[in-house]
Amino acid sequence: DIQLTQSPSNLSASLGDRVIITCRASQSISDWLAWYQQKPGKAPKLLIYKTSSLETGVPSRFSGSGSGTEFTLTISSLQPEDFATYYCQQFWTFGQGTKVDIK
Amino acid sequence: QVQLQESGPGLVKPAQTLSLTCSVSGGSMNSGGNYWSWIRQHPGRGLEWIGYIYYSGGTYYNPSLKNRVTILLDTTKNQFSLRLSSVTAADTAVYYCAREISMVRGNWFDPWGQGTLVTVSS
Repeated sequence: DIQLTQSPSNLSASLGDRVIITCRASQSISDWLAWYQQKPGKAPKLLIYKTSSLETGVPSRFSGSGSGTEFTLTISSLQPEDFATYYCQQFWTFGQGTKVDIK
Repeated sequence: QVQLQESGPGLVKPAQTLSLTCSVSGGSMNSGGNYWSWIRQHPGRGLEWIGYIYYSGGTYYNPSLKNRVTILLDTTKNQFSLRLSSVTAADTAVYYCAREISMVRGNWFDPWGQGTLVTVSS
């Protein structure tokens, strides 16, 4: 079974910072990966699909890239509403999550 | 715009069967490429995919749960349901229903229901 490992698991950042979250797959199965944002008490929200396609309504400061076994989610300039936990997903496996909080 | 809403008991006794329903509005469940999934999240933990059902009735379950899981479809009511048997405290979690959009090269989940907390306790 494929495993997805996100790094870091926790990240402290300041407003305006550029944030990069990495998701590494245990094997190369697909070049497609999705990213979700989850805030406390809420359902996950799709941010990016097909590795780099931005879901409708998601701010352009979010971007995704990667291929093979390494993928990244980048937030170009962290905003107050971006403090949340982020998950990557490929097929039916999710990463363990990366919690982004205020530095 | 498709919306999903979970419903069902919030408390289940150990060894009993957990039953949840997901109501789908704003779209047809019969569209090809759309799979109807259940995903759960243990308190303070990550996301675990449980299984899906396709509009044709075909199912695929997480191997770690497949002996206890049944997902059923009722297109006349635009609903699908989850049955998880022989529950223990380890099944206490927030349960989400979600639409899985699936293609040959991969898939993603959107939208999600709001989630419902199910506690297993006597």
